[in-house]
Amino acid sequence: AQSVTQPDIHITVSEGASLELRCNYSYGATPYLFWYVQSPGQGLQLLLKYFSGDTLVQGIKGFEAEFKRSQSSFNLRKPSVHWSDAAEYFCAVGAGTASKLTFGTGTRLQVTL
Amino acid sequence: SAVISQKPSRDICQRGTSLTIQCQVDSQVTMMFWYRQQPGQSLTLIATANQGSEATYESGFVIDKFPISRPNLTFSTLTVSNMSPEDSSIYLCSVRDRDYEQYFGPGTRLTVT
Repeated sequence: AQSVTQPDIHITVSEGASLELRCNYSYGATPYLFWYVQSPGQGLQLLLKYFSGDTLVQGIKGFEAEFKRSQSSFNLRKPSVHWSDAAEYFCAVGAGTASKLTFGTGTRLQVTL
Repeated sequence: SAVISQKPSRDICQRGTSLTIQCQVDSQVTMMFWYRQQPGQSLTLIATANQGSEATYESGFVIDKFPISRPNLTFSTLTVSNMSPEDSSIYLCSVRDRDYEQYFGPGTRLTVT
């Protein structure tokens, strides 16, 4: 069975600073990987995904993520954080045809002005 | 991307009663899922809603407690039966499109008193 670990429960960064959120997965084959963002009281919004091909994927809102098979990681990055990026971020892995997703426990991002 | 709506958006229910949550998608989709997000927690898959057949439940979830219907390719319902305070959660419907991207509805926030 697949699993996802997000080691950082809470991260605080200053507006304009760079951001990296960590995600490690466990899955025997090539995984389908996703990052979602959940703002307070909102549903989940898909930021980006990796299925195959280029290991550096671009998403919405200026986010990118890099798939590293050797490290079983799929870390999310943003070069310059905006105050509106404050939210909960979830990494997820899907097996096979990306049907059933297993989510990490999430990382809460706080942005200071 | 698919547009997903859920009804109700929130409800407060008494212990022992049942609530049916509706999920409507603006396009036909093969795969629909129901997730639960308990307060301050990550998302957990309840079941896959199969069109024209019984839902497929994940470990720890049973049909008697969470009956699901999927009468067509754009609609599904989840019923939370014989509710207890432990059922207080956000319930989210999701769909997987042909590009293997999974989108989520806005969620139904349920409080059981």
